[in-house]
Amino acid sequence: QAHLVQSGAEVKKPGASVRVSCQASGYDFTTSYIHWVRQAPGQGLEWVGLINPFYGHTNYVQKLQGRVTLTRDTSTKTAHMELTGLTSEDTAIYYCARGYLEYFWDWGQGTLVTVSS
Amino acid sequence: SSELTQDPVVSVALGQTVSIRCQGDSLRRYSASWYQQKAGEAPTLVISSKDNRPSGIPDRFSGSGSGNTASLTITGAQAEDEADYYCIARDNSADQLIFGGGTKLTVL
Repeated sequence: QAHLVQSGAEVKKPGASVRVSCQASGYDFTTSYIHWVRQAPGQGLEWVGLINPFYGHTNYVQKLQGRVTLTRDTSTKTAHMELTGLTSEDTAIYYCARGYLEYFWDWGQGTLVTVSS
Repeated sequence: SSELTQDPVVSVALGQTVSIRCQGDSLRRYSASWYQQKAGEAPTLVISSKDNRPSGIPDRFSGSGSGNTASLTITGAQAEDEADYYCIARDNSADQLIFGGGTKLTVL
């Protein structure tokens, strides 16, 4: 049974950076993409990007390119998302999810990132 | 980049059939998948690659697509189907995924 466990909630000031972790268990970490999706309060879902854990290759949503970095540590089966230059518009629940290139089926529990002065 | 458009709100009478649409240019080339999200929960995949239903998803959920439109159909809607539904597909650049804006389904 695959399981993704994310790090805890974060409160950051504008201009700061945040790093969210996603630890995988119950499957071969390198055989599925890890996607990141965010959801602002009361809003819809927004795809942030993906990482291929085997090769480390990444794709990012165009609007966040330059501010978001996805990495992985295969020794700990953990994926990380770092977002820099935070603004109030980055306040959201951030989810990791595993799957194929075009869709995903196992989700983490979500991490609330709040950006507030 | 391209967009996927969904009707914001759709309602259906209990036991009736409802289709939720997703429209966008990229759907002419790429298949859509669908997620259900209930309040306070992470989304759940209900249809993948246009018309594939993951194990555990009731067979009242089905997907289809033609031209620039993908559809999620619920045949015999149940009270527990009341949720937000999102389509997702590759955009025309093919290196990104995009979600539709979501449809809030109300079961009357």
